[in-house]
Amino acid sequence: GDSVTQTEGPVTVSESESLIINCTYSATSIAYPNLFWYVRYPGEGLQLLLKVITAGQKGSSRGFEATYNKETTSFHLQKASVQESDSAVYYCALGPFYQGGRALIFGTGTTVSVSP
Amino acid sequence: EAAVTQSPRNKVTVTGGNVTLSCRQTNSHNYMYWYRQDTGHGLRLIHYSYGAGNLQIGDVPDGYKATRTTQEDFFLLLELASPSQTSLYFCASSDGDGDWGSAETLYFGSGTRLTVL
Repeated sequence: GDSVTQTEGPVTVSESESLIINCTYSATSIAYPNLFWYVRYPGEGLQLLLKVITAGQKGSSRGFEATYNKETTSFHLQKASVQESDSAVYYCALGPFYQGGRALIFGTGTTVSVSP
Repeated sequence: EAAVTQSPRNKVTVTGGNVTLSCRQTNSHNYMYWYRQDTGHGLRLIHYSYGAGNLQIGDVPDGYKATRTTQEDFFLLLELASPSQTSLYFCASSDGDGDWGSAETLYFGSGTRLTVL
């Protein structure tokens, strides 16, 4: 079936350290899946962090990067040096699903805490 | 920037109670969605709509009704609330005018935390 699996949290890192959140997907009903990372800061709704629609391409935003790897069905999120303001919940997502309109399938979310 | 507003932010009710969660988006998006978020699960789609008067069933619709009264407003109805519906609920919207096969950005509200005692 279609699913997204990501690093279980919580993840705690120190400021200026690197961060990687793993995401793998299964897309049996979509020929050309689009891949997303969303982020939810405390007290806010989810917002798009980055999106990649073509296999082999890399997306980047706010110092975060993710590469769409069709061979390994992965879309890992990385940042070389995190800041305290990066503390949030990160969601990997896959879509679109025609039966769900333009709906996306989300992973469970990874809570990241960055300590000063 | 798309704006999606949910109300209330928090709601406590009792088993068997009647609850309505509200969502309004102000960017004239066609698609609106209701998701729930529970620990250990990703966001799960309850219902969605592609326009006023339209309703489509998502992946976890049991126990929920929804109604899209206008382009802007989408409501989630729990007519006999149960403790299993205790969750964080998110509403989202998207434009829906892109090519099929291209997923669009979803814009989310801040969520409603519902507790059913």
